[in-house]
Amino acid sequence: QSALTQPRSVSGSPGQSVTISCTGTSSDVGAYNYVSWYQQHPGKAPKLMIYDVIKRPSGVPDRFSGSKSGNTASLTISGLQAEDEADYYCCSSPGSYVLFGGGTKLTV
Amino acid sequence: EVQLLESGGGLVQPGGSLRLSCAASGFTFSSSAMSWVRQAPGKGLEWVSSISGSGEGTWYADSVKGRFTISRDNFKNTLYLQMNSLRVEDTAVYYCALRYCSGGRCQYFQDWGQGTLVTVSS
Repeated sequence: QSALTQPRSVSGSPGQSVTISCTGTSSDVGAYNYVSWYQQHPGKAPKLMIYDVIKRPSGVPDRFSGSKSGNTASLTISGLQAEDEADYYCCSSPGSYVLFGGGTKLTV
Repeated sequence: EVQLLESGGGLVQPGGSLRLSCAASGFTFSSSAMSWVRQAPGKGLEWVSSISGSGEGTWYADSVKGRFTISRDNFKNTLYLQMNSLRVEDTAVYYCALRYCSGGRCQYFQDWGQGTLVTVSS
């Protein structure tokens, strides 16, 4: 049960697009479509942004999208805005346990 | 509106115990799976434990198994985490989270509390 692998940091300018990857194994990310993504601003609680790989909760802008290929899931943020600057975590729930990625700091 | 309010954090010495609580409202607590997730200072998120709506099913991360106990009181709409034999590395903000489950599978953390800080230090 190892943590999922994310890049430590990514950056982009306002209006641009960025993609954050999340690599697991065929036993977790690759096995089920239960990948979720969370946004966390400093000092705040995490917020659900994407679930079931590609679905967006009500209220999350459609600039946020998710995808998966094999053992790697991705979060893409298009039309970057200043308020998107935050930490992002991927998560997989392959069974009775839960795995998080190490987190990616997005700088806008 | 879902509300999750954690309490019970504080400073405790290594080897000591602490019980966290999470008061829930805005949803049907007794039929909802719940979890604790922690975040050490400057570090990432780490799943700690989960419990089924009835309380009959409990699951733990290897790092806390045998030391922490998750439980719930469905009459009081409250989730608990009893933490024993605390270690310095248990220092973290502990979040209570509502899990979405469907078809017997729990898929994501739908809502989160604001967290309570536990500091283990001598």
